[in-house]
Amino acid sequence: DSGVTQTPKHLITATGQRVTLRCSPRSGDLSVYWYQQSLDQGLQFLIQYYNGEERAKGNILERFSAQQFPDLHSELNLSSLELGDSALYFCASSVGITYNEQFFGPGTRLTVL
Amino acid sequence: LAKTTQPISMDSYEGQEVNITCSHNNIATNDYITWYQQFPSQGPRFIIQGYKTKVTNEVASLFIPADRKSSTLSLPRVSLSDTAVYYCLVGDQAGTALIFGKGTTLSVSS
Repeated sequence: DSGVTQTPKHLITATGQRVTLRCSPRSGDLSVYWYQQSLDQGLQFLIQYYNGEERAKGNILERFSAQQFPDLHSELNLSSLELGDSALYFCASSVGITYNEQFFGPGTRLTVL
Repeated sequence: LAKTTQPISMDSYEGQEVNITCSHNNIATNDYITWYQQFPSQGPRFIIQGYKTKVTNEVASLFIPADRKSSTLSLPRVSLSDTAVYYCLVGDQAGTALIFGKGTTLSVSS
């Protein structure tokens, strides 16, 4: 158990819909990262927040957005969903702002039908 | 970020030592080398990180030659539960994103 929690574990929805994925980092960790893993693209970095502020962006689509709240939990919002958005979405956290050990959550499996 | 190259897959038997080599010819002075392990449908798990020479922890050793253009993850006496995908990543401490490649799928048989 990494100490990072993600909800829901599974999510099934239809194309065009909007969903919200939630992540609670390890106690004391200020950075939260979001990653998408699909069979054809592998594990892709989406976005990072540090202490409530956006820190870095990766391959995140404009239809996706995220935020980190004052209690440090984070939400990833996916809208206008397409079939290709079906993937495992991982949240990770770390103590600091820089490249160091990240602790990954169990993931949310999103299926878009 | 330096590009990494690792074997796509490796096979081993229980009790053997497994060495997975990663090539990173364009590694920069400030870059560290980090290895993660991932089981199916689980998030990656940090194994070990190093800058040069040798680093050892309770689960693995990381060997980095002087030119740092490659590194080798050594798993002593593997078991069936070590069957997983192993990722080699290179990046500096000022960066934030972990850039995962295809990884090496290790299959351990009895």
